[in-house]
Amino acid sequence: SQQGEEDPQALSIQEGENATMNCSYKTSINNLQWYRQNSGRGLVHLILIRSNEREKHSGRLRVTLDTSKKSSSLLITASRAADTASYFCATHYNAGNMLTFGGGTRLMVKP
Amino acid sequence: SAVISQKPSRDICQRGTSLTIQCQVDSQVTMMFWYRQQPGQSLTLIATANQGSEATYESGFVIDKFPISRPNLTFSTLTVSNMSPEDSSIYLCSVEGGINTEAFFGQGTRLTVV
Repeated sequence: SQQGEEDPQALSIQEGENATMNCSYKTSINNLQWYRQNSGRGLVHLILIRSNEREKHSGRLRVTLDTSKKSSSLLITASRAADTASYFCATHYNAGNMLTFGGGTRLMVKP
Repeated sequence: SAVISQKPSRDICQRGTSLTIQCQVDSQVTMMFWYRQQPGQSLTLIATANQGSEATYESGFVIDKFPISRPNLTFSTLTVSNMSPEDSSIYLCSVEGGINTEAFFGQGTRLTVV
């Protein structure tokens, strides 16, 4: 499968700091999405950025997309202990209907 | 949006047995997707389930091991057959809201095979 890569695989920060996660993918996409997963449960959608968009904000989240580099980043500002979770990028490729997930970043925010 | 009820939420099963996981969606959807998430890993698509036709399986997954039913537009089941400890994973079902919209996930089934 055309799975993307995420880095870092794990990130540990103090409450109040910013967290940045990066995602790279391989071929042309319709959109790129970020999801959060708490304790191995279901995924919660955070934000979707379309291939013709370069930046999107939602609350403390900021997502960028660089289609020339086939990469995206998720920035969480002013992190909280409750942000501790795994974060996944997922791409919706032009040729298919399903999502393809990156490897994920495990974020720990220490109080 | 879509709300998906997935059950069971977790199970511990003996090797050699089978487990059927159910997903019920609160609206009619064309396609449902089944994912596997092995411990500490990301999600891998098992198959796409369409109503009225056989499921489409991804490379590495076969119907004999993961039979899928899709009797109507709101329901699907995934069976994990003849289980071994290597099948211990979280299994998730998902639907998509449409082009350039988010996907919705069930809460997952945490399967442990002993």
